[in-house]
Amino acid sequence: DTEVTQTPKHLVMGMTNKKSLKCEQHMGHRAMYWYKQKAKKPPELMFVYSYEKLSINESVPSRFSPECPNSSLLNLHLHALQPEDSALYLCASSQEGTGYEQYFGPGTRLTVT
Amino acid sequence: KQEVTQIPAALSVPEGENLVLNCSFTDSAIYNLQWFRQDPGKGLTSLLLIQSSQREQTSGRLNASLDKSSGRSTLYIAASQPGDSATYLCAVNWNAGNMLTFGGGTRLMVKP
Repeated sequence: DTEVTQTPKHLVMGMTNKKSLKCEQHMGHRAMYWYKQKAKKPPELMFVYSYEKLSINESVPSRFSPECPNSSLLNLHLHALQPEDSALYLCASSQEGTGYEQYFGPGTRLTVT
Repeated sequence: KQEVTQIPAALSVPEGENLVLNCSFTDSAIYNLQWFRQDPGKGLTSLLLIQSSQREQTSGRLNASLDKSSGRSTLYIAASQPGDSATYLCAVNWNAGNMLTFGGGTRLMVKP
């Protein structure tokens, strides 16, 4: 099974709302990633978790707060977002270490109104 | 600066044609390179992963090659089909981890 699942598929939220995106994998991967993708642009890395610890934060604003409660789950908590944060948010996972294939989920389409 | 470039940005071909998609990168000290397919509004599907020690990888009608010295990779699609229409992204891993830097993608349309 090489599946990464993400919920919800679509999310519309106001600038004062608090919401969370969820990602799950059962491949035993110990590295998990959040990417942001704007329309007609390539994905951009936001965060990397390694063994449930945040290892990389690509200077992402604090209104995005990641969490890795266990080795299978990855959350992205959203608060006080701006309309320009509207994008496709992609989760990925891989084995920990160098040279491993990344597997992506279907993404959550976020619209901030 | 480490960058990945894909040219052309868009490509339209008739069904049945063999085609090559290009990916170039600025620093040859890569760990690996991964090719993905993305359908509109969807996630990324991994097609092929080439390690730095490899020259090519094949999966069905797809063949990816890697030439580190020239900073290039190509994705060859044989006997293209309308179902191959999608955006194809290459991504390079330069780090002792699995951080990927993506090219801008090539949007492929295969016409029946």
